[in-house]
Amino acid sequence: QQPVQSPQAVILREGEDAVINCSSSKALYSVHWYRQKHGEAPVFLMILLKGGEQKGHEKISASFNEKKQQSSLYLTASQLSYSGTYFCGTETGGSGGSNYKLTFGKGTLLTVNP
Amino acid sequence: DADVTQTPRNRITKTGKRIMLECSQTKGHDRMYWYRQDPGLGLRLIYYSFDVKDINKGEISDGYSVSRQAQAKFSLSLESAIPNQTALYFCATSDFWSSGGTDTQYFGPGTRLTVL
Repeated sequence: QQPVQSPQAVILREGEDAVINCSSSKALYSVHWYRQKHGEAPVFLMILLKGGEQKGHEKISASFNEKKQQSSLYLTASQLSYSGTYFCGTETGGSGGSNYKLTFGKGTLLTVNP
Repeated sequence: DADVTQTPRNRITKTGKRIMLECSQTKGHDRMYWYRQDPGLGLRLIYYSFDVKDINKGEISDGYSVSRQAQAKFSLSLESAIPNQTALYFCATSDFWSSGGTDTQYFGPGTRLTVL
């Protein structure tokens, strides 16, 4: 089942912070975050595993609340280069069977203006 | 060289024509996927393959077929293209074991298909 992302779109000024949320109605094994710039392919940012630690690098980090089946992506002191569409992808299960794959949300369009 | 390549990158065709989109990868991954992307609808899975002998339908497989010719090649066909198949198509790959037991996917550059 497709995870739900919120907000659908957000507009920031350079230097401001943003939070993008991803929630699922199913128990999650992992949450992946991707960023897609206009006209380009989605690019993997990070993964959060059940029972794992909060991940991140530089000014983009994420958390995973297993009990609520939710993940949040935090973008601090946003830069112009952060603009794009952010997708979360969720994995349920965890045994590596034939139905073990990512399901992507519809995306959140982030626009950072000067 | 790119790890995941797609050909063609752009294609304009007419209703009723047969179209094949090709995907090749040099990552050595077992799993390959085809998605279509439409504005506001995110990435929708068409077909996926966990190895050469394993092909599975995704959520929107009607009107599409696939062929996994080798570990490195996965083709998507539209037997009789229709205008609502106009979209951006992405191929992706993943490898369960090398990614530590997850389905982290790596995308090709995409094929923009227009059906008139």
